[in-house]
Amino acid sequence: EVQLVESGGGLVQPGGSLRLSCAASGFTFSSYDMHWVRQVTGKGLEWVSAIGATGNTYYPGAEPGRFTISREDARNSLYLQMNRLRTEDTAVYYCARASLDTAIADVNFDCWGQGTLVTVSS
Amino acid sequence: QSVLTQPPSASAAPGQKVTISCSGSSSNIGNNYVSWYQQLPGTAPKLLIFDNNERPSGIPDRFSGSKSGTSATLGITGLQTGDEADYYCGTWDSSLSAGVFGTGTKVTVL
Repeated sequence: EVQLVESGGGLVQPGGSLRLSCAASGFTFSSYDMHWVRQVTGKGLEWVSAIGATGNTYYPGAEPGRFTISREDARNSLYLQMNRLRTEDTAVYYCARASLDTAIADVNFDCWGQGTLVTVSS
Repeated sequence: QSVLTQPPSASAAPGQKVTISCSGSSSNIGNNYVSWYQQLPGTAPKLLIFDNNERPSGIPDRFSGSKSGTSATLGITGLQTGDEADYYCGTWDSSLSAGVFGTGTKVTVL
């Protein structure tokens, strides 16, 4: 069974850091582009970042900013390092798998994790 | 602030048809594929339509997608109570160099 399981969310103070993980199983992780998408409770979806199967990374505006996406194919894992967190970063963070043989710009996510909640508050 | 605009709500009776629009610009919908996602309450989004009008395996043909210029449309026929959910369009924005999603539409079965 294809599965994505996020972890690492929790309560963090403004200005703090958090590292999210996404454990993949049931497919050849190294062959797939992967994305992070977040959703503020009761609000819409927001694309956060992507990493290609070859390791190329993508961020809004093409600038890494406060977040860094990475992957460890040997561990079938995707990561999101979040620094200098702000209250507006409070959201559920989903990892999502891009469909095979699609471009990063296709925004075609055929498998999603259940999400991990990040709460930034003092 | 999303760059893709959807109506906040849509509704129809069971068995009827509902359509959801997604309006964008030349930097996003106009030059990139559109996908559609269904998000049932309390769950992760699920891919319904990709490449403007293609359905993944397992998605019934009651769901259809189309694109014209800088707008896309999701259609749901034979509406069922299980279709009550939030629906989002998604695409890439070449100017922003980012994935973008629509504002979301809540579908209610009357």
